Amino acid sequence: KAGVTQTPRYLIKTRGQQVTLSCSPISGHRSVSWYQQTPGQGLQFLFEYFSETQRNKGNFPGRFSGRQFSNSRSEMNVSTLELGDSALYLCASGLGGGSSTGELFFGEGSRLTVL
Amino acid sequence: LAKTTQPISMDSYEGQEVNITCSHNNIATNDYITWYQQFPSQGPRFIIQGYKTKVTNEVASLFIPADRKSSTLSLPRVSLSDTAVYYCLVGAVSNYQLIWGAGTKLIIKP
Repeated sequence: KAGVTQTPRYLIKTRGQQVTLSCSPISGHRSVSWYQQTPGQGLQFLFEYFSETQRNKGNFPGRFSGRQFSNSRSEMNVSTLELGDSALYLCASGLGGGSSTGELFFGEGSRLTVL
Repeated sequence: LAKTTQPISMDSYEGQEVNITCSHNNIATNDYITWYQQFPSQGPRFIIQGYKTKVTNEVASLFIPADRKSSTLSLPRVSLSDTAVYYCLVGAVSNYQLIWGAGTKLIIKP
């Protein structure tokens, strides 16, 4: 069974640009959540999608947005990039309910560097 | 709303048993507790999940007291490769919220 795939793995952008990151969940998983992790920091929750609907959202500015497609693949977008957006962005997939709440499978992440 | 609190760091020695405790005072009746392990530059990896009492798998045990206000991840006979950050997660079944702890950096010494 293929794992969670995130693309691209690495990217470099400059301030003011925008970026789109992609996440393909494990087949059959309908929940996708996104996290930002800066060096030495924990997981900062961005948002979670389930069946194309945003179900929960963290405390990030509106520059951070996401969506989920009918095949459960998800994208997140960051507009008007700032230096502080440099981070590892992690995506996690899960079945999304009941006892599976909290049982997540993570991708390897997309490392974004903003210059 | 549950909030999870765990120690920032711990260290131990190879061959010892390590216990990491997470506090989650406002956990709801149906919430599940899950623990993850993360190595540098990798995504977290599922270790164990529980609801109450004790759960054991091939790598760890999870102890949850009757009041469920805390949980303890137990790693038996640790090795250097267990050096990692360990996260506690409360999964709220009622509204699907995921409440993460800040992570415990565990360092295993030879």
